[in-house]
Amino acid sequence: KAGVTQTPRYLIKTRGQQVTLSCSPISGHRSVSWYQQTPGQGLQFLFEYFSETQRNKGNFPGRFSGRQFSNSRSEMNVSTLELGDSALYLCASSKEGGTYEQYFGPGTRLTVT
Amino acid sequence: AQRVTQPEKLLSVFKGAPVELKCNYSYSGSPELFWYVQYSRQRLQLLLRHISRESIKGFTADLNKGETSFHLKKPFAQEEDSAMYYCALKPNSGNTPLVFGKGTRLSVIA
Repeated sequence: KAGVTQTPRYLIKTRGQQVTLSCSPISGHRSVSWYQQTPGQGLQFLFEYFSETQRNKGNFPGRFSGRQFSNSRSEMNVSTLELGDSALYLCASSKEGGTYEQYFGPGTRLTVT
Repeated sequence: AQRVTQPEKLLSVFKGAPVELKCNYSYSGSPELFWYVQYSRQRLQLLLRHISRESIKGFTADLNKGETSFHLKKPFAQEEDSAMYYCALKPNSGNTPLVFGKGTRLSVIA
């Protein structure tokens, strides 16, 4: 079974721009969760999508948004980028969501200059 | 609110020495606790879960409800254990997401 894939793997943007990250879950998985990983804060939950609906949302500003498509692929968007948004963005998929059996992707390294 | 605390950002031990990675949690109910590991240039992956009470790669973790702790232990550290370790809590209430600690970087010195 192919694992979770994320594209692009690396991204450099400037302040004020917006960015879209993509995540393809493991086949058959309907839940996709997004996390922001930084050295100082560790893993912080952004949101979870299940069957095209946002089921959970973390404590992030409205500049962070996401969506899920009918094939379970998910995208997250960050608008008006700030320097502090530089991080590794991880996507995780699971069959039903709300479980610990999450399978993580390799992440997208976003650098904001 | 649920919270997971890993008090050590970095833990360095010598090869062959015992290792204990601390994890304390704050939750009013009965949570499920897990340890995730991220080796260099690899994906974050589940190491073990408290309900299975298993030993993975020589690591064990016991849930202590009285002390609200879930420390990860290994009697003899190996160089390949060097990695980032995250403790995580899943509240026992519906489809709530995992809550992660900030992680502890374990460095095993030869």
